[in-house]
Amino acid sequence: EVQLVESGGGLVQPGRSLRLSCTASGFTFGDYAMSWVRQAPGKGLEWVGFIRSKAYGGTTEYAASVKGRFTISRDDSKSIAYLQMNSLKTEDTAVYYCTRVSYGSGSYLDFDYWGQGTLVTVSS
Amino acid sequence: QSVLTQPPSASGTPGQRVTISCSGSSSNIGSNYVYWYQQLPGTAPKLLIYRNNQRPSGVPDRFSGSKSGTSASLAISGLRSEDEADYYCAAWDDSLSGGGVFGGGTKLTVL
Repeated sequence: EVQLVESGGGLVQPGRSLRLSCTASGFTFGDYAMSWVRQAPGKGLEWVGFIRSKAYGGTTEYAASVKGRFTISRDDSKSIAYLQMNSLKTEDTAVYYCTRVSYGSGSYLDFDYWGQGTLVTVSS
Repeated sequence: QSVLTQPPSASGTPGQRVTISCSGSSSNIGSNYVYWYQQLPGTAPKLLIYRNNQRPSGVPDRFSGSKSGTSASLAISGLRSEDEADYYCAAWDDSLSGGGVFGGGTKLTVL
C-alpha cells in the first residue's frame, strides 16, 4: 500500500526556516518524481514545486511565489522527500501536502497519491 | 486571483447531472493536459480525472472530463450525496512565470 507521511510542521516566526519531510512507503521511491502542494486555511490548492527522479536528473521546479526561498530535495536511500523553507512569510501559512507524481504520466501535475498534510503556521 | 477560473459554487439534487467549468488561456489549458481533483471535507485531495478525460481506476464512470480550446469541464452524472466536495482543476502553464496552476475550486452542494 502506497503511503506518504508528512512531518515537521508547526509554528514558526516570520523570517525563520522550517524543513518538512515526506516519508514514503509501498513503492520504489527512487522511480518517481515527488511534488509539494499547499493549501492556506479556507483557501484553494497551490502548487509549490517538484523534484524529478534521479533518472531524469533529480532537478527541481518551483512556483514563482516560493522560488529562491524554498528547496525540494530527496534521499532515495531513505525514501524521503524534503521541503526546506527559508525566509518564511505569514502568507506561507498553509497545510503542506506531499504528492507522488504518476509514473510516466507526461505531466508533473498528475498526483496519484497524497499525504495527509502537515500544517505550517507562520506568525510572530 | 487564480490563473484558472472556476465558479465558486455549484449545486444539484440527487440523480441530477452537474457540470463544473474551468477557464484558462493558451499558455495553460490551451496547450497542456487538464487534471481534476476532488477534496472531501477534512481530507486530502484525490485525483479524479487525468489527461483531460481519463479516470484512474476506482473512480466511477459517473465522473467525466472534457476539454475544448482554453476551457475544460467536469461532469458528474447521477449525483450522489457523497459527491459533496470541493473540486479543483489544474494545468501546467508555459508562460514565463508558469508552472503548475490550479483553479480556485468549486464547492459542490448536493441539495
